[in-house]
Amino acid sequence: QKEVEQNSGPLSVPEGAIASLNCTYSDRGSQSFFWYRQYSGKSPELIMFIYSNGDKEDGRFTAQLNKASQYVSLLIRDSQPSDSATYLCAVKSGAGNMLTFGGGTRLMVKP
Amino acid sequence: KAGVTQTPRYLIKTRGQQVTLSCSPISGHRSVSWYQQTPGQGLQFLFEYFSETQRNKGNFPGRFSGRQFSNSRSEMNVSTLELGDSALYLCASSSSGATNYGYTFGSGTRLTVV
Repeated sequence: QKEVEQNSGPLSVPEGAIASLNCTYSDRGSQSFFWYRQYSGKSPELIMFIYSNGDKEDGRFTAQLNKASQYVSLLIRDSQPSDSATYLCAVKSGAGNMLTFGGGTRLMVKP
Repeated sequence: KAGVTQTPRYLIKTRGQQVTLSCSPISGHRSVSWYQQTPGQGLQFLFEYFSETQRNKGNFPGRFSGRQFSNSRSEMNVSTLELGDSALYLCASSSSGATNYGYTFGSGTRLTVV
């Protein structure tokens, strides 16, 4: 059973702070890793993907991957109230396009 | 560029009935996957279609089925509906067959079984 684990939160950070979201996965053969943001009542929206060890930056977002530790994280710099949402970690393993999702971390950014 | 279109947006059905949901992927996308999202179980993979062939299937009973047409549009069908089938059903499309890229999700179909 391939598993993806996230702390459900809520993670509360003040506006302007760095929010750090974490995710662990069980399948060492996992190839690609994705972060989605989901606002209440909406569908998930892709923020970033990463498949090599290290950091990948896109604007205020940085994804970090450590395959040896089976750990992937998302940093959000200069957090804004509009970043308040549930963040879903997803992992792709094997052939095809099946993604296994974590349960999501709810982020609250307080003005 | 149009996004992923799912119809209908909302659906109310009675236990025992069957339902068909439709998904039109982004133009040029050949891979379509379906997911079920519930508060208790989160997002769970149902199945994936690529070039009209089912390539992956999740751990759902045979009441859940799908298909993909030559224009990449996909449908999923749930027969003999149960109360526990109430969920948000999400369709997602991807541009590559052996992809390292994530999916683009549609707005979903919210199914309520009464």
